Formats: sequence, C-alpha cells, structure tokens
Amino acid sequence: QQQVKQSPQSLIVQKGGISIINCAYENTAFDYFPWYQQFPGKGPALLIAIRPDVSEKKEGRFTISFNKSAKQFSLHIMDSQPGDSATYFCAAGSSGTYKYIFGTGTRLKVLA
Amino acid sequence: GAVVSQHPSWVICKSGTSVKIECRSLDFQATTMFWYRQFPKQSLMLMATSNEGSKATYEQGVEKDKFLINHASLTLSTLTVTSAHPEDSSFYICSASVSSGANVLTFGAGSRLTVL
Repeated sequence: QQQVKQSPQSLIVQKGGISIINCAYENTAFDYFPWYQQFPGKGPALLIAIRPDVSEKKEGRFTISFNKSAKQFSLHIMDSQPGDSATYFCAAGSSGTYKYIFGTGTRLKVLA
Repeated sequence: GAVVSQHPSWVICKSGTSVKIECRSLDFQATTMFWYRQFPKQSLMLMATSNEGSKATYEQGVEKDKFLINHASLTLSTLTVTSAHPEDSSFYICSASVSSGANVLTFGAGSRLTVL
C-alpha cells in the first residue's frame, strides 16, 4: 500500500518531442505529489508538484496530470531539450509529514 | 531559495573505519531532516528521520548502531557510518523541510561514499 510505481524505466525522445512519465500510487491518504529531477552525482531538485484538488498543473514546459479516481499522475515535458536529460522521480506523501515514497525513477535521454 | 549543503561530496575510506557526513540548512532552520541512501540507477530509500534535540527515527531494516545520526542544532544533522564495509558504499542524500505544512523538501547534493 506504500508503493509508488513509475514507468517507463528509461525513455529516449527526440529534441522537441514530448516526454511522458507515469506514476501510480496505492495509499489514498497521499495528498502531495512532487516530481524531482536528478542529474548524475547530484541530489534531486524539485521540479513541480500537485495536490489532488486539481487535475492539472503547468509550469513552463512541465505539466502534471492527476487522476484521483485512478490513483495515477503523470509528468509531461513539452518541447523536450537535451538539457532535460536526467533521471526523474515521482513521489507521494501526506500533509504534515515529509516521508515521501519515491518511484523507481525514469532515465530520460533527449537526443539532439 | 532554500539551500541544503552536504559535506563531503565524496569520500573514500578503508574498511573498518568510520565516516561522518554533514547536512546543513544554509538559510533556514530545519527541525527535521531526512537521510536517504541511493544505489546506482535506483530510487531513494529513506533511512531515517533526524529530529533536532531528540533521537532519530530509523526505518525498518536500517541498523541504528551502524548509521549514527545526530541533529544537535536547527541547521546541522550528521550521519556517521560506523565500521564501514564495502557494502556500505553508496550515495547518501539528506533533505530538509523548508517550512512547516508546506510539504516541500529540499535535498542536498549528496555524498558519494566508497569503502575499499
């Protein structure tokens, strides 16, 4: 009940294309869903986050889509750039606690 | 923005020795910090929650006597890997909550430990 399943494990996208990463959670108590971007040898950096009271959140080229009934959420990277090549982690947590459950990560490579 | 600093960024030690990793919140106070372990190409696994002025809370399966955590001030938490062995080689990352109720975690850049 505490797992967050993330797919795909790896993704290759052409420059200018759309990258889509999906996550599914089980615990309905989760009410905070951040996405983190991690470059090799660095710590994760918060990219964008959403709460279940909205179905979509957009910040620049990054959009989170959230489906509460299906317990799924996804990250869309529009106009993907080589600089977006990194590992992306979804996570889920509950308000008042910072004990996130992380997905298994997606290694994104954007070809120039 | 909030910054969490880790030191050292990488360390190599001999088997049997102890290694200390520091995690500092540079521009905010953090009553709670978190320590994670990340193996190559794998996800972050929460090891323990570090509470300022009290004992750390360890996740199931994490040896508290091996991974000593001290949170002596509102801006500093330390993780000491005692009697390190090659299987302890990993990327250790800390994080801190920026403000209460906001659910926002800021992560450090990580510390790469290699035990020979």
